[in-house]
Amino acid sequence: SYVLTQPPSVSVAPGKTARITCGGNNIGSKSVHWYQQKPGQAPVLVIYYDSDRPSGIPERFSGSNSGNTATLTISRVEAGDEADYYCQVWDSSSDHPDVVFGGGTKLTVL
Amino acid sequence: QVQLVESGGGLVKPGGSLRLSCAASGFTFSDYYMSWIRQAPGKGLEWVSYISSSGSTIYYADSVKGRFTISRDNAKNSLYLQMNSLRAEDTAVYYCARVVAILGGWFDPWGQGTLVTVSS
Repeated sequence: SYVLTQPPSVSVAPGKTARITCGGNNIGSKSVHWYQQKPGQAPVLVIYYDSDRPSGIPERFSGSNSGNTATLTISRVEAGDEADYYCQVWDSSSDHPDVVFGGGTKLTVL
Repeated sequence: QVQLVESGGGLVKPGGSLRLSCAASGFTFSDYYMSWIRQAPGKGLEWVSYISSSGSTIYYADSVKGRFTISRDNAKNSLYLQMNSLRAEDTAVYYCARVVAILGGWFDPWGQGTLVTVSS
């Protein structure tokens, strides 16, 4: 089965740039989606199709995907960005399409 | 606005059963695939199952195959998850989510979740 690997934690100072990676075999050939989850809340979509932003998501959130790594970039980080972030893809290598989530990355704003 | 509201969670003994429901509003429910996704306490997200807009296509994660059954009632704008032979490892918050862009797409929105606790 397909595996997505995320760093457990990333720390960044306010106003700086945070980069959260999502590694997978040839992930660049897949569409990657990203979710933000704050404590006690349901996940919220922040990036879809590698780099598109849903309405209401600040332009500070951006995404890229190439080779074996997809990256969620948060510019000018704010205290309110502190949350867990998950990447997600679909894997069609088995007899039916599966949904795969990364293990999640806890973003800490110092 | 688009909204999903889960219900039916609770405490159940190992080997027991529970039926979760998800009420949808604010969009044409019958046009979308729907999915259940769960999150064990302190853990990450785990996809459980999805169902096509008509209900004709259904898939499950290996961890629940043969024990869980997903279904939908488009007339009632509702999604269901029948969970049988529950195990301690099924303890989690269960979210329903709309699938956008069939097979390859994303989940948006998510419901607020309903907690299922399997314990004796």
